[in-house]
Amino acid sequence: AQSVTQLDSQVPVFEEAPVELRCNYSSSVSVYLFWYVQYPNQGLQLLLKYLSGSTLVESINGFEAEFNKSQTSFHLRKPSVHISDTAEYFCAVSDPAGYSSASKIIFGSGTRLSIRP
Amino acid sequence: DVKVTQSSRYLVKRTGEKVFLECVQDMDHENMFWYRQDPGLGLRLIYFSYDVKMKEKGDIPEGYSVSREKKERFSLILESASTNQTSMYLCASRPTGTGGNNEQFFGPGTRLTVL
Repeated sequence: AQSVTQLDSQVPVFEEAPVELRCNYSSSVSVYLFWYVQYPNQGLQLLLKYLSGSTLVESINGFEAEFNKSQTSFHLRKPSVHISDTAEYFCAVSDPAGYSSASKIIFGSGTRLSIRP
Repeated sequence: DVKVTQSSRYLVKRTGEKVFLECVQDMDHENMFWYRQDPGLGLRLIYFSYDVKMKEKGDIPEGYSVSREKKERFSLILESASTNQTSMYLCASRPTGTGGNNEQFFGPGTRLTVL
């Protein structure tokens, strides 16, 4: 069975400081990896995903994540955060052998990123 | 603009009541999902559906049922609400694709309180 572990439930940082949100997964097969973001009072939206190819993937708002197969990690980073990045971030892994054609996505427990001015 | 809508943002019900949570998507997606979100537990899958009238149990189906009579609509039913079902409920949809690499689109959520 696959699982996702987000090591930090909360990460407070100062504005314009760098940040790393950690994510580790376990799987016996190849996986697809995702980061979703949930802004206050909203649903989740996709931030970025790794499917294959380059192990470094980027989002349009300056976040990046690197797939590290040997360490089974997919940490999310941003070199300089803004107040608008305040949100909860969820790492997720897809289950290619999921039921029927639905292929379940398994979510981590989330990391709440709070930005201090 | 793709959209997943949920019938209520906030709902307050009493123990024992029958509760319906409705979800509608306008993207013609085959797959729809219901999750509950609780602090420190992330998202847990309750039920999903990969076609009209088809449903499968997720990780925590106890106390819930679902209905999918039309492709665009997926309903979550609490037959007899209990206080431990107080939670945020999120609906999502996703097109059928190979290997589960398609983006999953979420609704804004329904915060249900059972008194």
